[in-house]
Amino acid sequence: DAKTTQPTSMDCAEGRAANLPCNHSTISGNEYVYWYRQIHSQGPQYIIHGLKNNETNEMASLIITEDRKSSTLILPHATLRDTAVYYCIVRSGTGTASKLTFGTGTRLQVTL
Amino acid sequence: NAGVTQTPKFRILKIGQSMTLQCTQDMNHNYMYWYRQDPGMGLKLIYYSVGAGITDKGEVPNGYNVSRSTTEDFPLRLELAAPSQTSVYFCASNPRADTNYEQYFGPGTRLTVT
Repeated sequence: DAKTTQPTSMDCAEGRAANLPCNHSTISGNEYVYWYRQIHSQGPQYIIHGLKNNETNEMASLIITEDRKSSTLILPHATLRDTAVYYCIVRSGTGTASKLTFGTGTRLQVTL
Repeated sequence: NAGVTQTPKFRILKIGQSMTLQCTQDMNHNYMYWYRQDPGMGLKLIYYSVGAGITDKGEVPNGYNVSRSTTEDFPLRLELAAPSQTSVYFCASNPRADTNYEQYFGPGTRLTVT
């Protein structure tokens, strides 16, 4: 699976959009981009995933560049409860199990 | 559904002791996973299972054993606990291996070995 690079930490004011970048320049054609987050040592929580097209759900939007070498997770109106570590994961679409490789992620601090 | 449950929440072991971390899911998922997370680090895969009776090693399996006798349960066994096994352990499951299925994580077990 391709390696990802994320900033160590970011700050965001409550109510503003949080844009979390991720570089995955070695991504291959059948690899998906996944985002999970982990709130204060709880179990990781799935947010969103995509292959080529931009995706949106009730939690966030995922923007993937046309060359697929980077992506951005957007939390449209960040709240204090969105303070967490956000993990960008690239994973192959094939294989016998959905093994996830977690890096150290981006620690997002949402402030008043 | 309760989702993925783990017991105990916390445990302190002495060096050389053994214990079993329990994981149960009530979603009828075939795939189950054990991860460990050291302070300030991401999760690392210990073992996984693709169905009852089938298990395989992940990235960091040494010092651990697993079994999968039922779809619901996936216990993790620590033999001869060592300080290096101090960590938070997470169990996860998902219904299939396809990319369109998210993993559901349990709340974790915080283990300290002294």
